[in-house]
Amino acid sequence: DAMVIQNPRYQVTQFGKPVTLSCSQTLNHNVMYWYQQKSSQAPKLLFHYYDKDFNNEADTPDNFQSRRPNTSFCFLDIRSPGLGDAAMYLCATSRDQETGGLGTQYFGPGTRLTVL
Amino acid sequence: GQNIDQPTEMTATEGAIVQINCTYQTSGFNGLFWYQQHAGEAPTFLSYNVLDGLEEKGRFSSFLSRSKGYSYLLLKELQMKDSASYLCAVKGSWGKLQFGAGTQVVVTP
Repeated sequence: DAMVIQNPRYQVTQFGKPVTLSCSQTLNHNVMYWYQQKSSQAPKLLFHYYDKDFNNEADTPDNFQSRRPNTSFCFLDIRSPGLGDAAMYLCATSRDQETGGLGTQYFGPGTRLTVL
Repeated sequence: GQNIDQPTEMTATEGAIVQINCTYQTSGFNGLFWYQQHAGEAPTFLSYNVLDGLEEKGRFSSFLSRSKGYSYLLLKELQMKDSASYLCAVKGSWGKLQFGAGTQVVVTP
C-alpha cells in the first residue's frame, strides 16, 4: 500500500545531542512537509520541500534543518535539542496540481521525541 | 492576522449527531480540510471543501461558507471509535495548511 512512513516512532535523546528523524513515502508526491505538534496544540509547519526547493517558515528556529536527498526521503535534523523541542514530529506529503491546486496532505504516523 | 477557531471539546452519546464549528480568518484561501486525529497518532484526512455548500461522505459531512469564513463538520450516528480530536485546517498560499487547535470529541455510551 502506498503510504508515508516515519522512523523511528519514538525517539529519546539527550539535551543538546543531535538527532535525525526520517520520513519516506511511496506515494510519489512532489511536496513533503515537516510539522511539530505539542500536546493539545495544532500541528505547526516547520518547513516544506516543493520538489527540491526548500521553503522554511519564518519562525522555524535555526536549530531545525531538513534534507531531501530524493523524491522519496526527507529528514529532519535537530542540531541541539532543547527541552522545549519535545513533541510529536509529523511528516506529510501532497501532490501538486491535485484538486485545482496543491493537494490533500497525507500524514505519516509521527515520531514522538523525548528530550532528557 | 490569521486565526482558526474551533471549540476545545464536545461530548455526545453513541448514536447521536455532533456538529463541530470552525471559523477562520486567513490570508489566502484555497480550501478547507478536516482531519481526524486519535491520541498519539497522525491526522487522517476526512474531507475538504473548496466551494460553498455541503459535502457528504458517509456518516461525515462538511459545510463551507466562504463569505462567512465558516465551516462545520457533522458527525452522524456517532460510534465509540469516533472519539478523537477533529482538526480544521485552511489551505492558504502555496498549499500550506494552517491548523486549528482541534476539537476533542468524547463519545459516551
